Amino acid sequence: DAGITQSPRHKVTETGTPVTLRCHQTENHRYMYWYRQDPGHGLRLIHYSYGVKDTDKGEVSDGYSVSRSKTEDFLLTLESATSSQTSVYFCAISELGGRGNEQFFGPGTRLTVL
Amino acid sequence: AQKVTQAQTEISVVEKEDVTLDCVYETRDTTYYLFWYKQPPSGELVFLIRRNSFDEQNEISGRYSWNFQKSTSSFNFTITASQVVDSAVYFCALSDSGSSNTGKLIFGQGTTLQVKP
Repeated sequence: DAGITQSPRHKVTETGTPVTLRCHQTENHRYMYWYRQDPGHGLRLIHYSYGVKDTDKGEVSDGYSVSRSKTEDFLLTLESATSSQTSVYFCAISELGGRGNEQFFGPGTRLTVL
Repeated sequence: AQKVTQAQTEISVVEKEDVTLDCVYETRDTTYYLFWYKQPPSGELVFLIRRNSFDEQNEISGRYSWNFQKSTSSFNFTITASQVVDSAVYFCALSDSGSSNTGKLIFGQGTTLQVKP
């Protein structure tokens, strides 16, 4: 199994509070991704990173920011959490190229915003 | 724009029945990858298969088989002799593989498969 961990695994917070989710990898993969999973929508890309300090927006980036100061860590921040951000968040990593864009996913973080 | 459609929201079968999960995709890219992932009740995402757009050969892995048809933009997944352990949510996904490849995955909505004993 690819070495990907997410923390915390579960979090309950209140509307308006800042929240940071962490993704940590031990595979030294260049690409990292944050997705959210909601019923009826599958998984949707929030932000992704193609290297240290190199990030770009995904399909549902409003209300989220990311940072990647080290290869192994990719942080997702909700500056001011809203109830619409209640979701399960998955981090993924990929090396592209030889493995044909295969992505390995972390265990997920269940976030509830009250 | 890229899009993946899994029209079957939920499927329920009895153990040992065969079941096919449909996936239709849209893309303007000439090169791309298609994927299937399984999400069991425990919640993790398990990679099942990757198919390159250049390779239209069908693939079989044990009780699992995949039918890729570019002419109909479909990448269907069949489970033969289903088992209770196959109960899960199954996702079809698409990514580009051209010069601007970023590996971003576009997922379908998912199909929930329930296999009853």
